[in-house]
This record gives sequence, C-alpha cells and structure tokens, in this order.
Amino acid sequence: GENVEQHPSTLSVQEGDSAVIKCTYSDSASNYFPWYKQELGKRPQLIIDIRSNVGEKKDQRIAVTLNKTAKHFSLHITETQPEDSAVYFCAASPAGGSYIPTFGRGTSLIVHP
Amino acid sequence: DTEVTQTPKHLVMGMTNKKSLKCEQHMGHRAMYWYKQKAKKPPELMFVYSYEKLSINESVPSRFSPECPNSSLLNLHLHALQPEDSALYLCASSPRQGSGNTIYFGEGSWLTVV
Repeated sequence: GENVEQHPSTLSVQEGDSAVIKCTYSDSASNYFPWYKQELGKRPQLIIDIRSNVGEKKDQRIAVTLNKTAKHFSLHITETQPEDSAVYFCAASPAGGSYIPTFGRGTSLIVHP
Repeated sequence: DTEVTQTPKHLVMGMTNKKSLKCEQHMGHRAMYWYKQKAKKPPELMFVYSYEKLSINESVPSRFSPECPNSSLLNLHLHALQPEDSALYLCASSPRQGSGNTIYFGEGSWLTVV
C-alpha cells in the first residue's frame, strides 16, 4: 500500500516569512495529491491540490509542486500570517484499487506575530 | 456548496449506552466516509460507502455500525464503546470513490466515552 512521509512535524516561523512542508510517497501509481488545513477544533479543509499531469499549481499565497520522478511534493506558503497557524496534512491518492487517499502525519505550523 | 453537516457536535456517552452520529450532504456525492481522528493525528479511515453500499470496512470493531439509508445520509451507530474510542468522528463525502475525487469533511462530532 501507499506510504506518505511528511516533514517537518512542527514548523515555527515569523509573520511574513515563507513556510515549506514536504511530503514523499511510495506508490508511483498515485496521481492525486490534496493538501488539507486543520485549525484547532475544526474540520480538515482542502486548501489546494495537484494532479500528476501538472508540476506546479498556485493559489494566491499558496503553491504546491510535484516531482513525479522523485515521488515528492511540497506546499509553499509565502508571506505567512498568524491565521495560517494550523496543522497541515498532505495526502496521496492511488489511481486504482480503493482510490482512498493516504495521509501524512501532519505538520503543525506556528506563525508568530 | 461543499457542505457536509454532522450532528451532534458533541456527545458524551457511557459505556453501556447506544447512540448514533448522523451525517448529511446535498452535493449529489455518491461516496461517503467515516473517519476517526485523535488529537494531532491524521484522520483514520473507518468505513466507505459507494452508491449506498458498504465498500470498505477497515477492520473496525463491531461496536461501530455504519448505515447509509440513502444517497444523502450516513449514520454511525455506537454501542458498548470504550473510553479509548473517545475522538473526533469525521464524516466526509466525494463525488465518487474514484481516482482524483476530492474528499470534503464535515465539522465532526466530538465523542467522549465515560
């Protein structure tokens, strides 16, 4: 089955800095990679996703990059704000079988004002 | 609208009680999910329904019993739970159980077993 590694487990930055969270996956057949943000006491919410036929996707201050050869993908947040503080989960979904995404263990991002 | 609604938001139950968690979506999604989440951990898949039929049971103990009455509703019946079952229970849905389908989560039901 798929195995997703996510690093770092905790990331502390100053407001205005950039933050990068990295994930690697094991199943080369995975073709869909969503990122979820979960604020304290709330639901995981999709913030951006990328499919295997695309190398990079941007949405305002958030971008995701995918390297299929190396089997890793990353979330980039620029000009971080205190409201970006949350736990971020990456996931990788296989192209077959159950199609169920495998989640990374999560990164707790803390943005200090 | 990407709304999945869950009730109740909070539930405290004794180990001998029977209770149910309810979930509803009106997005026309044909796949619905139950996840369990412990603090600071990723969501852990419990059950998947596809077109109202149970598609995946991740070896969940029988004290958890899912039910999908129709394409919009999903229930999780709880009986004889243990304190270690205390967690956030997330319902979710996606257009289909298939490649590239985004999963949308509800706000969750916080369950405490005493």
